[in-house]
Amino acid sequence: AQSVTQLGSHVSVSEGALVLLRCNYSSSVPPYLFWYVQYPNQGLQLLLKYTTGATLVKGINGFEAEFKKSETSFHLTKPSAHMSDAAEYFCAVSLAGNQFYFGTGTSLTVIP
Amino acid sequence: GAGVSQTPSNKVTEKGKYVELRCDPISGHTALYWYRQSLGQGPEFLIYFQGTGAADDSGLPNDRFFAVRPEGSVSTLKIQRTERGDSAVYLCASSPRLAFSYNEQFFGPGTRLTVL
Repeated sequence: AQSVTQLGSHVSVSEGALVLLRCNYSSSVPPYLFWYVQYPNQGLQLLLKYTTGATLVKGINGFEAEFKKSETSFHLTKPSAHMSDAAEYFCAVSLAGNQFYFGTGTSLTVIP
Repeated sequence: GAGVSQTPSNKVTEKGKYVELRCDPISGHTALYWYRQSLGQGPEFLIYFQGTGAADDSGLPNDRFFAVRPEGSVSTLKIQRTERGDSAVYLCASSPRLAFSYNEQFFGPGTRLTVL
């Protein structure tokens, strides 16, 4: 069975501080991994994805994530938080079956 | 270009009523997905279409839920005899190719369903 765990349903950081949102997955086979962002009253938007190749993936808005197979993790980071980063972030895993399994989400608050 | 659109944006209904939720995918996208997002949860897979046929409907919670995509474009999610527990945001997503799991899914803004 596939599942995604996002540690910390709420994360608060100061503007300019490092953002770290954690995601761990369980999968019987190497998965494809995704981070989506959801702004209030908007649809999910893809931040970045890992499929194959380089394990450090860069996405939009300065975010990046690193696939660590040994730790079954795909944590999302950004060196310096901006007020506009405040949103809900979802980690998701997908296998060849096309279903996406989403985590429960992490709400990011940026404190000025 | 136009993204995925969903109508209505909000739907309030009474327990026991029938509702239809519509999704217009991005033009040319062959794969279409429905998800349900309950408060405080991540999206939960319901069903996915490849063209006109439902390739995987294993996420539909029970036989009150049904979805169609008769011409391989617009899809309608139908819920019969609605229950209060059906209240959620229903999300639609489309994907540009025959569905491989690494294709990006483009999400619509969702329909917020409230069952009183």
